[in-house]
Amino acid sequence: GESVGLHLPTLSVQEGDNSIINCAYSNSASDYFIWYKQESGKGPQFIIDIRSNMDKRQGQRVTVLLNKTVKHLSLQIAATQPGDSAVYFCAENSRKSGGSYIPTFGRGTSLIVHP
Amino acid sequence: DAGVIQSPRHEVTEMGQEVTLRCKPISGHDYLFWYRQTMMRGLELLIYFNNNVPIDDSGMPEDRFSAKMPNASFSTLKIQPSEPRDSAVYFCASSLGGAGGNTIYFGEGSWLTVV
Repeated sequence: GESVGLHLPTLSVQEGDNSIINCAYSNSASDYFIWYKQESGKGPQFIIDIRSNMDKRQGQRVTVLLNKTVKHLSLQIAATQPGDSAVYFCAENSRKSGGSYIPTFGRGTSLIVHP
Repeated sequence: DAGVIQSPRHEVTEMGQEVTLRCKPISGHDYLFWYRQTMMRGLELLIYFNNNVPIDDSGMPEDRFSAKMPNASFSTLKIQPSEPRDSAVYFCASSLGGAGGNTIYFGEGSWLTVV
């Protein structure tokens, strides 16, 4: 899950296993959540999003689950591949001055996939 | 589309020098964001623009930081004078219609080291 420490939480899995990355968010009024993937030396890339009126959304090999009761988000990656190795961030939209909703990012979880 | 383009990709400068980071957003996008990423603080929003106008600069750490967007296809983030604690990766990102339900696209980042 997300952490406020100096070191990123790390999830190590074997190739072919399913991975679950967890995230706790803070604002019960947030209504839009996004998962990003950041590979080494690159910028974050959008993976999947979910609105608060849903509790599950599926993409290609990825599923996001939202539990608003406990303010928890998870990203499930099926049949994890070495190319999935990256840092994964969850982001919740929060209202900024000026009226726009802007993502606030968690610290990230490092996923390491062993061949 | 070429995506969000940032320059320079890497910069090493001496304390006290002026640093200028540049960004070209995706054509047609009306929101532009500057983020800073460090291990200690994760991804922090510094400032964002809508239609070239700065909307929220509450994330700018201090007066040494300034950002401009003179037109829809160009923005700069300037640090003057730079300090070692400014060492970080600076990301520019853009989106169409704000981030309420729209994907933010990140550049590859500018890796700044101040010695």
